[in-house]
Amino acid sequence: DTGVSQDPRHKITKRGQNVTFRCDPISEHNRLYWYRQTLGQGPEFLTYFQNEAQLEKSRLLSNRFSAERPKGSFSTLEIQRTEQGDSAMYLCASSLEGANSPLHFGNGTRLTVT
Amino acid sequence: GNSVTQMEGPVTLSEEAFLTINCTYTATGYPSLFWYVQYPGEGLQLLLKATKADDKGSNKGFEATYRKETTSFHLEKGSVQVSDSAVYFCALTPYGNNRLAFGKGNQVVVIP
Repeated sequence: DTGVSQDPRHKITKRGQNVTFRCDPISEHNRLYWYRQTLGQGPEFLTYFQNEAQLEKSRLLSNRFSAERPKGSFSTLEIQRTEQGDSAMYLCASSLEGANSPLHFGNGTRLTVT
Repeated sequence: GNSVTQMEGPVTLSEEAFLTINCTYTATGYPSLFWYVQYPGEGLQLLLKATKADDKGSNKGFEATYRKETTSFHLEKGSVQVSDSAVYFCALTPYGNNRLAFGKGNQVVVIP
């Protein structure tokens, strides 16, 4: 079990640019989640997948954000036309299916929009 | 809706002191309750969980009891160590799914 890995660890971009983050979940986990965490706050849910199907999206996820999990394994989160308010830590987590299955988190990608 | 409230502010205490971090929740149905910990420079890790009323979750000397009557899940440790310095998050998943809702977190600093 190598855990959930995220790439890159840090991303600095200029306002208006597009960015893409990658998440590799624990291999046997069929659920994958994206969260966003700003300074001093707890993580906020963005979206989640069961296998390749995106089952739920938060109202926080504007139309500039898109997430994919094309083969039910790794996932990408793209932010188009970044804004300074997008600066945050983006966390990926994975879990087995089941209401009590704990989420396993990656170390996150810290995005800074200048 | 489903939400978690943690006590305000960081917690600073001396080594071997008793730690309590308060957590209360609002949820429909019967949520599962969790404490996650984030050590400096690391990702969130599950510390303990409880899935039904009166369950006690425990791990690494930490304990929390699921109190339905007071909608609380307070975290306690009898004797903290410097290595317990971290940010602690209370969280819940609503009945029937495992999408977590987090509190704001509490920074705990243990001084030698």
